[in-house]
Amino acid sequence: SQKIEQNSEALNIQEGKTATLTCNYTNYSPAYLQWYRQDPGRGPVFLLLIRENEKEKRKERLKVTFDTTLKQSLFHITASQPADSATYLCALYNAGNNRKLIWGLGTSLAVNP
Amino acid sequence: SQTIHQWPATLVQPVGSPLSLECTVEGTSNPNLYWYRQAAGRGLQLLFYSVGIGQISSEVPQNLSASRPQDRQFILSSKKLLLSDSGFYLCAWSPGHAGGSPLHFGNGTRLTVT
Repeated sequence: SQKIEQNSEALNIQEGKTATLTCNYTNYSPAYLQWYRQDPGRGPVFLLLIRENEKEKRKERLKVTFDTTLKQSLFHITASQPADSATYLCALYNAGNNRKLIWGLGTSLAVNP
Repeated sequence: SQTIHQWPATLVQPVGSPLSLECTVEGTSNPNLYWYRQAAGRGLQLLFYSVGIGQISSEVPQNLSASRPQDRQFILSSKKLLLSDSGFYLCAWSPGHAGGSPLHFGNGTRLTVT
């Protein structure tokens, strides 16, 4: 069956360290993979999109990698800050799946001062 | 710049009552529009999406319906709410010209059916 998985356990890290979140998928061949941030009681906010032919994408302190062989995307936040504490969602766009986004359940990140 | 407005922010309704949630987008034309529901531990569930006025695709059979009376207006409705309709409802838009485009979400409506 097709599925997309993110770390189910909350990630706690110390301020200044690098946070790494994982998104794994099976039985998809995504054209794109997207990462979103969601704060409690708010809608998700788009962060980064990476295409299947891209290995890495960066935006300020954020970095996303995409390994289509491992069927995995890693999301890194360098020099993490308490303000980075949120839930991070990955979503993949599979052109064969009626062109809809498939969502992971998200990973909660807490950055401790 | 584009903005999306969704209201109300919170809503408490009795079982059997009707529902109407509204979403409007500004600063873009012919967007794709979406209604999602997010329940604890279940992630984002796509309920409806629309690629144009009057064009609605339903993803999950249920007692909810959606309408798009204007290009940038999307409405989620129910004639009679069930307890199971409680949840966090999110409206989103994306550019209409390309699949896989990022979604831009509103701030959601927390619906509690009592």
